[in-house]
Amino acid sequence: QVQLVESGGGVVQPGRSLRLSCAASGFSFTSYAMHWVRQAPGEGLDWVAVISRDESYVHYGDSVEGRFTISRDISKTTLYLEMNSLRADDTAVYYCVREGGAGCRFDNWGQGTLVTVSS
Amino acid sequence: QSVLTQPPSVSAAPGQRVTISCSGSNSNIGKFHVSWYQQLPGTAPKLLIYDNNERPSGIPDRFSGSKSGTSATLGITGLQTGDEADYYCGTWDDSLSAGVFGGGTKLTVL
Repeated sequence: QVQLVESGGGVVQPGRSLRLSCAASGFSFTSYAMHWVRQAPGEGLDWVAVISRDESYVHYGDSVEGRFTISRDISKTTLYLEMNSLRADDTAVYYCVREGGAGCRFDNWGQGTLVTVSS
Repeated sequence: QSVLTQPPSVSAAPGQRVTISCSGSNSNIGKFHVSWYQQLPGTAPKLLIYDNNERPSGIPDRFSGSKSGTSATLGITGLQTGDEADYYCGTWDDSLSAGVFGGGTKLTVL
């Protein structure tokens, strides 16, 4: 049974940093690309970043490029999102998502972790 | 402003049929498969349709998908009150090198 469990969310001041983690289990972690998708309160889904199976390809949404870093630790089967220079508009629930097929087939989602950027 | 365009809301009576449209461009829907997601209140999104018209195991055949050119459509028949949720379409965009979603459609079962 696929499980994705996010952690690391919380309240942080503007300009500070935060690292999110996503513990993956129940599947071969090295066989899937992984993404982060966020959702601001009352808003729609916003794609954040992707990392390929072998970490050779990473890409970010325009709003987080240069501030966020996605990475994965194969030995710990964990996905990370390092978030720097946080802004109020980064406030959202952040979901760890498995890509089950081409074209962004997001077949498994974590429960999400809330990040609130506020002074 | 979302890259993919969906109607903000749709509604229908129990037992009826509803469709939700998703409009894109040649760099996204025109080139890649479309997925649909259902988000019940207070929960994470769930994959409903993938590869334009395929259903994951456990998804009833009341849910269907189609794609034509740069547009896709989600269909739901035999509406139930439990279908009240937000529905999102999504795919990859070649020009942006990014995942893209529609703005979401809120389904109300009257």
